[in-house]
Amino acid sequence: QKEVEQDPGPLSVPEGAIVSLNCTYSNSAFQYFMWYRQYSRKGPELLMYTYSSGNKEDGRFTAQVDKSSKYISLFIRDSQPSDSATYLCAGNYGQNFVFGPGTRLSVLP
Amino acid sequence: GAGVSQSPSNKVTEKGKDVELRCDPISGHTALYWYRQSLGQGLEFLIYFQGNSAPDKSGLPSDRFSAERTGGSVSTLTIQRTQQEDSAVYLCASNRGPGELFFGEGSRLTVL
Repeated sequence: QKEVEQDPGPLSVPEGAIVSLNCTYSNSAFQYFMWYRQYSRKGPELLMYTYSSGNKEDGRFTAQVDKSSKYISLFIRDSQPSDSATYLCAGNYGQNFVFGPGTRLSVLP
Repeated sequence: GAGVSQSPSNKVTEKGKDVELRCDPISGHTALYWYRQSLGQGLEFLIYFQGNSAPDKSGLPSDRFSAERTGGSVSTLTIQRTQQEDSAVYLCASNRGPGELFFGEGSRLTVL
């Protein structure tokens, strides 16, 4: 079992839809959880990070962590074609950052 | 600079040649990481530097791979005697605390 798992997609949604991206993890040591957006042929861009369980909102993006079920979510409201990218989740403890394989999202105009 | 800077952005080389990839982290960031991302694959950890401590080399796939960080800032990843399976995007990242890691745009290596 990989430490961080996510459905690779692709996930296609119409413009304006609410998008839900999810990850599961197995390492109980993770304290911080991150979401990255990666456009084609670009480096991953940090969207948000959260500490422990709870929600964090930033504009159209909401990150949610449930440590009891080892479940991480990213919600995108009013999705735009510019949100089309691969989204990577990650867990962190100490110096260790472990990434999921990414979910490819396409938002269709 | 404002972000993590990597060079070259693209490198095409012949099998058996040595290559060097450079990373200039964000100013003030004490930790520096190298990752490899192959087509359709996730991020594979290679090596980690923190200040003046000995680096964590546990992710290097073979002894053909090495890295150094001079003066606690710029880092160079060297791949000797490149093989076709080394073709990938090599990503550098830096941070100064937990929970956030900032990546460069990567160096895309193609070994013919």
